[in-house]
Amino acid sequence: SQTIHQWPATLVQPVGSPLSLECTVEGTSNPNLYWYRQAAGRGLQLLFYSVGIGQISSEVPQNLSASRPQDRQFILSSKKLLLSDSGFYLCAWGDTYEQYFGPGTRLTVT
Amino acid sequence: AQKITQTQPGMFVQEKEAVTLDCTYDTSDQSYGLFWYKQPSSGEMIFLIYQGSYDEQNATEGRYSLNFQKARKSANLVISASQLGDSAMYFCAMQGGGADGLTFGKGTHLIIQP
Repeated sequence: SQTIHQWPATLVQPVGSPLSLECTVEGTSNPNLYWYRQAAGRGLQLLFYSVGIGQISSEVPQNLSASRPQDRQFILSSKKLLLSDSGFYLCAWGDTYEQYFGPGTRLTVT
Repeated sequence: AQKITQTQPGMFVQEKEAVTLDCTYDTSDQSYGLFWYKQPSSGEMIFLIYQGSYDEQNATEGRYSLNFQKARKSANLVISASQLGDSAMYFCAMQGGGADGLTFGKGTHLIIQP
């Protein structure tokens, strides 16, 4: 069965510091991968998705970037965090009929 | 563009009663999928049920069923015989064709009372 890992689980970072969140998937090959952000008390917003190594589509212009260096690895980054980057970041894998989420990373920018 | 509307910010339901969570959607796609997720206080997003736009029968998964009314662009989630463990946020989402990500509604906070 497929398993999706995210780390770290929680993170507190000062404004202006860099960010790197990692997501890996086990048990599937060439998955579609997604990054979402959930602000407090809100629904999820799609940030990036990837259909293969090196292929990244951005949905929302922002302070963040994504990379997919390996088939089952998806990384979310920022060079300088803003207060508005705080939230719950969820990685997901899937295709047309299914989408499964990882446990998430709770980021607080102070 | 796709849009999901969940009009019930919060609901209180007695244990063992059936629950209907409302979801309406808007899309210009001919082929699309509709999803429901449960998010307990721990934050994980738990997949509950999926309905394809061309599926003729309503989807069912255990105590969960999806009341799909395509002409009304409605995809309500029905939970039968509610349990205390059903207390959580519930999100309706949709996906267009291909590798598109999901568009989510704002969610409904369901509280099951003993």
